[in-house]
Amino acid sequence: DQQVKQNSPSLSVQEGRISILNCDYTNSMFDYFLWYKKYPAEGPTFLISISSIKDKNEDGRFTVFLNKSAKHLSLHIVPSQPGDSAVYFCAASVSRGQNFVFGPGTRLSVLP
Amino acid sequence: GAGVSQSPSNKVTEKGKDVELRCDPISGHTALYWYRQSLGQGLEFLIYFQGNSAPDKSGLPSDRFSAERTGGSVSTLTIQRTQQEDSAVYLCASSFQRGGGETQYFGPGTRLLVL
Repeated sequence: DQQVKQNSPSLSVQEGRISILNCDYTNSMFDYFLWYKKYPAEGPTFLISISSIKDKNEDGRFTVFLNKSAKHLSLHIVPSQPGDSAVYFCAASVSRGQNFVFGPGTRLSVLP
Repeated sequence: GAGVSQSPSNKVTEKGKDVELRCDPISGHTALYWYRQSLGQGLEFLIYFQGNSAPDKSGLPSDRFSAERTGGSVSTLTIQRTQQEDSAVYLCASSFQRGGGETQYFGPGTRLLVL
């Protein structure tokens, strides 16, 4: 039973438009969330994080929104660029420094 | 500087054989993690090393899996008597210390296929 779910295995977006990647979790004890980006033949790289004391965290074109009551978070990329094409993983833990549970990933394709 | 490296990049083996996967962490990183990603699944935590402390083996799926870290640097993940369900990408990550996930740097992974 997956504790972290990314129900869209893939997503295609036109360059310049907004990409919205969604993540749902089942464990109400999760308190800290990350997004990773993974290019083919490379390991995942950290993108952005959010803790439960916030409902939004922004870093340049990337914004993560957290809705704890709905156990849902989303990653917004705006404007989307072809270089954003990658697999995006959502991860959650009960606190920083604890082991993370990862979702299965969403493959984003940004079309020029 | 050099990132986390893993070898081999791909490994094909027959069911029942043993395999060893290697991870070279970033120099100076005291924490080392092993994960695996099976098809359609997220990254599954396997084992964690921190300095000279006893490793956290809570994620190892069976006693066929073991890992060691020699000299606080290189780590080897060993899978004995491989099964087809062991087929996955095995990822290693290192960090300066155990902390938030953003401090983990991942290697490119070893893709294991058990026939």
